[in-house]
Amino acid sequence: KNQVEQSPQSLIILEGKNCTLQCNYTVSPFSNLRWYKQDTGRGPVSLTIMTFSENTKSNGRYTATLDADTKQSSLHITASQLSDSASYICVVRAIYGNNRLAFGKGNQVVVIP
Amino acid sequence: DVKVTQSSRYLVKRTGEKVFLECVQDMDHENMFWYRQDPGLGLRLIYFSYDVKMKEKGDIPEGYSVSREKKERFSLILESASTNQTSMYLCASSLSGQVGEQYFGPGTRLTVT
Repeated sequence: KNQVEQSPQSLIILEGKNCTLQCNYTVSPFSNLRWYKQDTGRGPVSLTIMTFSENTKSNGRYTATLDADTKQSSLHITASQLSDSASYICVVRAIYGNNRLAFGKGNQVVVIP
Repeated sequence: DVKVTQSSRYLVKRTGEKVFLECVQDMDHENMFWYRQDPGLGLRLIYFSYDVKMKEKGDIPEGYSVSREKKERFSLILESASTNQTSMYLCASSLSGQVGEQYFGPGTRLTVT
């Protein structure tokens, strides 16, 4: 079973609207969680990193939340733009594991005018 | 500015050929990684290296080998390419430590016919 589950698998939203992406994980003991954005045909780029003590972190129109008790994270996109069309990948690191990461399969977001 | 480069963006090879994928990073990172990315499966770790001449198997090492003779360069080798190795291959690098962000290259789209 995958240690990182993301939902929804894909969604289409109108430009200017908000959306929220979900990430549930079972990785333990937890070290940190990153959200990556991957544009089509490109490598993933980190948006935010959340550590155990952090609940909310923003990067421009992107806001990530973390509930380490329930092992859930979300990524909220505010006032979406066409350039937000991408895959958003949740990546979780355990405290042990020699730099190995657990990857979600991604949320595919399409923003339409 | 951080940079991870991969030798080819697109590659077409025949079944049975030996294939070399090269990755170079200019950030003096200790760790380097090779992933493959397939629709519906997300990123899967093939091999990683935490130092020159050191390597560790990832989750799907069968059919692949790697070489790291210099700190900045990490090569992925397909000894005898097969059609099921058609995929997007992503290289990444990071500093050691728990919060080290992985920086990804642009990817190589390999097609084996």
